[in-house]
Amino acid sequence: AQSVTQLDSQVPVFEEAPVELRCNYSSSVSVYLFWYVQYPNQGLQLLLKYLSGSTLVKGINGFEAEFNKSQTSFHLRKPSVHISDTAEYFCAVSRTSGTYKYIFGTGTRLKVLA
Amino acid sequence: EPEVTQTPSHQVTQMGQEVILRCVPISNHLYFYWYRQILGQKVEFLVSFYNNEISEKSEIFDDQFSVERPDGSNFTLKIRSTKLEDSAMYFCAISGGRYNEQFFGPGTRLTVL
Repeated sequence: AQSVTQLDSQVPVFEEAPVELRCNYSSSVSVYLFWYVQYPNQGLQLLLKYLSGSTLVKGINGFEAEFNKSQTSFHLRKPSVHISDTAEYFCAVSRTSGTYKYIFGTGTRLKVLA
Repeated sequence: EPEVTQTPSHQVTQMGQEVILRCVPISNHLYFYWYRQILGQKVEFLVSFYNNEISEKSEIFDDQFSVERPDGSNFTLKIRSTKLEDSAMYFCAISGGRYNEQFFGPGTRLTVL
């Protein structure tokens, strides 16, 4: 079975500062990894995904994430945040074969302060 | 990015009543999913649907739940007899292929009184 841990439930950060949202996963098989963002009263929007290849993945809105297999991590980073980045961020995994449901973490609420 | 709409945006119902949540993908996709998020908890997988049949379901998806594509476009989730603990945000998702990313709708907030 797979599991996802997002250690930080809330992350406050000042505008234009860098941010890292942590995601660790557990799986005995190969996985695909995803980050989704949820703005208030909206659905989940894909930020970026890791399927294979380069471990550094770039996504929308200036976000990037690095897949670290040895540490089973997929942390999300942005060098300079904006007020508009305030949202809930979810890390998710799915197996690469057999089943394709997503297993989500509990989410991290990013609050960007002026 | 494919667009997915869900209706209603908010549903309030009495315990024991049946509810039907609808998902309308704007474009053709092969795989359909339902997830739910109880307030303050993680998003949980309920069921996946492919080729007009359930391909996988979670332990949550018991006999009170059912899914169908009644007219080839809408994708519905029915809860036959709602319980208080069914109160949650329900998300529909679609994907074009088995290993493709999933695109989510805005969700339906279900409140069971």
